Amino acid sequence: QITLKESGPTLVKPTQTLTLTCTFSGFSLTSDEVGVGWIRQPPGKALEWLVVIYWNDDKRYSPSLRSRLTVTKDTSKNQVVLTMTNVDPVDTATYYCAHSSRAGYDALTGHRYVFDIWGQGTMVTVSS
Amino acid sequence: DIQMTQSPSTLSASVGDRVTITCRASQSLRTWLAWFQQIPGKAPKLLIYKTSTLGSGVPSRFSGSGSGTEFTLTISSLQPDDFATYYCLQYNSIWTFGQGTKVEFK
Repeated sequence: QITLKESGPTLVKPTQTLTLTCTFSGFSLTSDEVGVGWIRQPPGKALEWLVVIYWNDDKRYSPSLRSRLTVTKDTSKNQVVLTMTNVDPVDTATYYCAHSSRAGYDALTGHRYVFDIWGQGTMVTVSS
Repeated sequence: DIQMTQSPSTLSASVGDRVTITCRASQSLRTWLAWFQQIPGKAPKLLIYKTSTLGSGVPSRFSGSGSGTEFTLTISSLQPDDFATYYCLQYNSIWTFGQGTKVEFK
């Protein structure tokens, strides 16, 4: 059974760096050819994809947030860590991590991935 | 960047109704389109991927269709558990969610 759980601070001050951890079980991020993604949702608003890290350490970042985001994995701890620098009140949101598995194949561009199992999310407020 | 537009934003319906939600993309996705259901206070749940493939354990009253730039999610007979917000997600080029469609009681 695959599970994921997000953890981190609930309140962060503007301009600070936010660090969130996704602890997972039920799969391996070294050998299972899967990924872990981060998605956020401001209160009452839509979902926004942030980043994905794959089993082979390949990473994809949202172009609009790329300069502020870093994602790493610690396979010994079954964790993925997201850091976001220089936070602002607009970054207030529930942050989800999600297991990303293959959802199709294209001969030209390879496998496609979708977020099939999600953590419960963690609410982060940015305020002074 | 690929933009996703869902319609309607809100849909009022009754138990037993047939419900259709549309998602339009700013460029062709071929069939790389997924649908999610989100109940308030809960994480999204994958319903459909690759336009029409049901996710694990998803009831058969949910179906998806389309290709290119226009896609639909259909619920054949709305059940009480289906009152929720639905999001489309394109994964043709990185990932982009639609803005959501809330299905509420009429």
